[in-house]
Amino acid sequence: DVKVTQSSRYLVKRTGEKVFLECVQDMDHENMFWYRQDPGLGLRLIYFSYDVKMKEKGDIPEGYSVSREKKERFSLILESASTNQTSMYLCASSLEVRWGAYFGPGTRLTVT
Amino acid sequence: AQSVTQLGSHVSVSEGALVLLRCNYSSSVPPYLFWYVQYPNQGLQLLLKYTSAATLVKGINGFEAEFKKSETSFHLTKPSAHMSDAAEYFCAVRSNDYKLSFGAGTTVTVRA
Repeated sequence: DVKVTQSSRYLVKRTGEKVFLECVQDMDHENMFWYRQDPGLGLRLIYFSYDVKMKEKGDIPEGYSVSREKKERFSLILESASTNQTSMYLCASSLEVRWGAYFGPGTRLTVT
Repeated sequence: AQSVTQLGSHVSVSEGALVLLRCNYSSSVPPYLFWYVQYPNQGLQLLLKYTSAATLVKGINGFEAEFKKSETSFHLTKPSAHMSDAAEYFCAVRSNDYKLSFGAGTTVTVRA
């Protein structure tokens, strides 16, 4: 079975802090994604990566950056956390998007 | 651009009753469509997917969905609800080679 793991389930940070969210997948998938989930809005794509060191902006990239130095690892970075970034963050990976994506358990981030 | 709309943010059913969750899509090309389920404090799990092989798709946990091109719909059903079906359900469509677009989600409550 595909396994996607995220470094933290719950995280509390202060405004202005730099925040790293880590994601690791074990199925050698080329594609990896970071989504943000908010009530009533579903999932919105922040960034995705289709290869090592390759990244593309999704629908809501402002305030975020990403890093993919190894195929199995995709990191989401909040350079200066703000309260409006309080949310559930979901990482996903896929071999081909037309077959769907596998999701990690999520990180619930609270910025105070 | 491909997108999905889920009708109804909350659905309440009695145990043993039919579960029907509605999803309509917008796509200029034959779509790839998905239903995901999210249990409390967990990531998303793929229930089923439509990839043009068959219009009636069977998934896990007794769920199935029917693709109707004339109605641009991909509704999810389960004949008899179980308490364990209480969760949030998301419809999604492949927007391009690197993106899944999600609906806003439907929360299912099962009454004893």
